[in-house]
Amino acid sequence: DTAVSQTPKYLVTQMGNDKSIKCEQNLGHDTMYWYKQDSKKFLKIMFSYNNKELIINETVPNRFSPKSPDKAHLNLHINSLELGDSAVYFCASSLGVYGNQPQHFGDGTRLSIL
Amino acid sequence: DQQVKQNSPSLSVQEGRISILNCDYTNSMFDYFLWYKKYPAEGPTFLISISSIKDKNEDGRFTVFLNKSAKHLSLHIVPSQPGDSAVYFCAATAGNNRKLIWGLGTSLAVNP
Repeated sequence: DTAVSQTPKYLVTQMGNDKSIKCEQNLGHDTMYWYKQDSKKFLKIMFSYNNKELIINETVPNRFSPKSPDKAHLNLHINSLELGDSAVYFCASSLGVYGNQPQHFGDGTRLSIL
Repeated sequence: DQQVKQNSPSLSVQEGRISILNCDYTNSMFDYFLWYKKYPAEGPTFLISISSIKDKNEDGRFTVFLNKSAKHLSLHIVPSQPGDSAVYFCAATAGNNRKLIWGLGTSLAVNP
């Protein structure tokens, strides 16, 4: 009964490929997020959706496209993968849109680009 | 420009002693602060938070202190246990801002 689950846990692929990461939450939250943790361990917000509407869209290459089919799911599709995309990607969810609402995180997807 | 700074990348303490993790911020608009704990190969988990209208918040062995004039907060863990060994992230947000700004984390090792 994992609260926020991401798949896959590991993703190893070649430069130039297209890949997707899926996220689902069963907490009844209305807001979901994608974070990127780079090699320096810095957690940076990429996107956030509230009830399927995009509310945070940071300066991220447009090769990254989030999709939220419903408020329990937020997927991340990445086109034309580059070496610099290697990182850990975390999905999170919260009740409410404001930063003071505790966020619940998945265990991360470790993306390695060869 | 890092608005939330955790200047100690690592900290080592003996079991049973106090662990003090520090966090400094530069944005005076920040009014809510959260601490998250992260084990290897897992996502961060929420630990404790504090609003700027308070200077202390306590939850069991965990206490967060906020010094607004110094733009500094600290997380105290008493007594420290080996299971507390993890990376601790400080995060901050301002008013109705929808974003959390994160520090780089401090890796705590509690030795038996």
